[in-house]
Amino acid sequence: EAGVAQSPRYKIIEKRQSVAFWCNPISGHATLYWYQQILGQGPKLLIQFQNNGVVDDSQLPKDRFSAERLKGVDSTLKIQPAKLEDSAVYLCASSLRLATYNEQFFGPGTRLTVL
Amino acid sequence: KNEVEQSPQNLTAQEGEFITINCSYSVGISALHWLQQHPGGGIVSLFMLSSGKKKHGRLIATINIQEKHSSLHITASHPRDSAVYICAVRSRGATNKLIFGTGTLLAVQP
Repeated sequence: EAGVAQSPRYKIIEKRQSVAFWCNPISGHATLYWYQQILGQGPKLLIQFQNNGVVDDSQLPKDRFSAERLKGVDSTLKIQPAKLEDSAVYLCASSLRLATYNEQFFGPGTRLTVL
Repeated sequence: KNEVEQSPQNLTAQEGEFITINCSYSVGISALHWLQQHPGGGIVSLFMLSSGKKKHGRLIATINIQEKHSSLHITASHPRDSAVYICAVRSRGATNKLIFGTGTLLAVQP
């Protein structure tokens, strides 16, 4: 079974530029998560989708971050414009459904450096 | 204060040593996860538990719901165990939201 795919693996941009990350979850997984992991910290949930609907985006900085999952399969996360403090690893995860005991499977992450 | 606290933050051990990493949490949970993250790599789930104890190879995870505490033990540690170990709790409710600790960086020296 293929795992969660993410691209690119690494991205370096200058502040005020825009960037987009892509995630393809495990086939058949209805729930998709985007996390931000700043160096030395644990991951922080940015947004959670159930199919193509948003379940939780309470910690998404909506003035600069946006995410979509239009067809309920793959997803993109965009930052526009980027700030220095956005340097982090962006992790995508998926789970079969929203139920309590469903395990989340993580992708390899995208490491973003903002100069 | 973080809702999930891990200790120690950094741990250096000699190959073969018995290792314990602790996790305390302050919120109501439905399950607790132990995760492993290698440098530059993604996160791999080691255990998901809601009570008692689980064992997988040289890894053992325990949880005490009343004390809101969990431990991850590694027996006969090996350099390939070097990684960041993260405790995450699943908050009660419908969203299946995970709250992560800051991780414990483990280095096992040969």
